[in-house]
Amino acid sequence: QQQVKQSPQSLIVQKGGISIINCAYENTAFDYFPWYQQFPGKGPALLIAIRPDVSEKKEGRFTISFNKSAKQFSLHIMDSQPGDSATYFCAGGYGQNFVFGPGTRLSVLP
Amino acid sequence: GAGVSQSPSNKVTEKGKDVELRCDPISGHTALYWYRQRLGQGLEFLIYFQGNSAPDKSGLPSDRFSAERTGESVSTLTIQRTQQEDSAVYLCASSLGRQTGQFFGPGTRLTVL
Repeated sequence: QQQVKQSPQSLIVQKGGISIINCAYENTAFDYFPWYQQFPGKGPALLIAIRPDVSEKKEGRFTISFNKSAKQFSLHIMDSQPGDSATYFCAGGYGQNFVFGPGTRLSVLP
Repeated sequence: GAGVSQSPSNKVTEKGKDVELRCDPISGHTALYWYRQRLGQGLEFLIYFQGNSAPDKSGLPSDRFSAERTGESVSTLTIQRTQQEDSAVYLCASSLGRQTGQFFGPGTRLTVL
C-alpha cells in the first residue's frame, strides 16, 4: 500500500485559533479522503470526508481543503476548543482499501 | 443504532498463551477490518474481509496471527503463542461500501506479560 504522509506530528494551538493538519498521498486511485478523530482510550471516529471532485468541504468548524493536482489535502479546525484536543488521522481510500497517515496529536490550550 | 463492538475490552495474558479477540460489526456492513495500534502510534493494517473472504491478509505480521469471519457478521482475530511485542490495542472497523468510510469499535487492549 502506498503511503499517506501527514504533518505536523504534533500541534499546539491556543483556544480560538485555527488548527491546520496537512496530508499528502501518492496513489492516484484514491477516490475518498476521510479524516478521523481519536480520543485517548477510544477508537477513531469518522469526522469529515471529501471526494476528489470537490476542492473544499465544510462541516461546522471543520473544513477539508483538497488539491488534486498536488495530491494534497488538509484539515482546518476553526475556533479550536480544548475539547478538540485529540489525535487526528487522515486517510486515502479506493474501493474498500484504506491507507492511513501516521496521525497528528492536537492540543488546544485553554 | 448499535456501533461496532469488540470484546474483551482488556486482555492480560502471559507470554506463550493464545488469545482470541472478537469483533461484531455494524449490521449490514460487508467489509470488516482489523488494525493494530501501539501506544502513541498510528494504525497498522492487519487484515480486511469482504463478506467472509479475506482478499487482503497482507498486514498480518506473522503466521501466529489469523482471523476468520462468519458470513457478514462476527470476526475473530487469533494470536497464537503471544509475545510481548504483541501488546497493543487491536481495533476493528466495518464499512458499508465504497466512499463511505469506516466505523471503528472501541478496541481491545492486549497486554502480554
